[in-house]
Amino acid sequence: NAGVTQTPKFRVLKTGQSMTLLCAQDMNHEYMYWYRQDPGMGLRLIHYSVGEGTTAKGEVPDGYNVSRLKKQNFLLGLESAAPSQTSVYFCASSYRVGTQYFGPGTRLLVL
Amino acid sequence: AQSVTQLDSHVSVSEGTPVLLRCNYSSSYSPSLFWYVQHPNKGLQLLLKYTSAATLVKGINGFEAEFKKSETSFHLTKPSAHMSDAAEYFCVVSGSISNFGNEKLTFGTGTRLTIIP
Repeated sequence: NAGVTQTPKFRVLKTGQSMTLLCAQDMNHEYMYWYRQDPGMGLRLIHYSVGEGTTAKGEVPDGYNVSRLKKQNFLLGLESAAPSQTSVYFCASSYRVGTQYFGPGTRLLVL
Repeated sequence: AQSVTQLDSHVSVSEGTPVLLRCNYSSSYSPSLFWYVQHPNKGLQLLLKYTSAATLVKGINGFEAEFKKSETSFHLTKPSAHMSDAAEYFCVVSGSISNFGNEKLTFGTGTRLTIIP
């Protein structure tokens, strides 16, 4: 039982490049979330999903897209990376109501 | 709307002395409240949660928190600090419901706890 895993752990991008972050959970949770963590700002919700094929915008969705093709996976895409997207990205999952379980994070640096 | 204020961005205590991390919240709903801990370069781990049962909540590693509705506070305490407690701590409130029926979390900005040997 691995819980929530994230791939990759660290990535460096140049401005304008694209990439996809992968989140996987093995707890059969319906809900999955992507957050970004910036210094002094806590975690902010980017997008979330309430089930396969259903996603919704969070607090800071601009510049990101997501997909949930399988229940256990939640992908976060950056189509054209910008330096402002340098951050640590966390994925989480949960049942509808209850504790969210977090992955170890992905550090992204956009030059 | 809901919000969380962590009153100290940085707390330093000596090993073996008590720990107090302060958190105030506001919520239009009956909130659930959480404390998460994040060790360096790690993900967030749940320490404890309050969900309208007992107002004194015990968590892992000797931490506990008391929900005080009159003060809108949910402070985290530990009687005796250990070197392994050095980490970032986040107070989190849950209470607003999204259009899909799931609870939304609002995070505080974090308190960095340093333990002095």
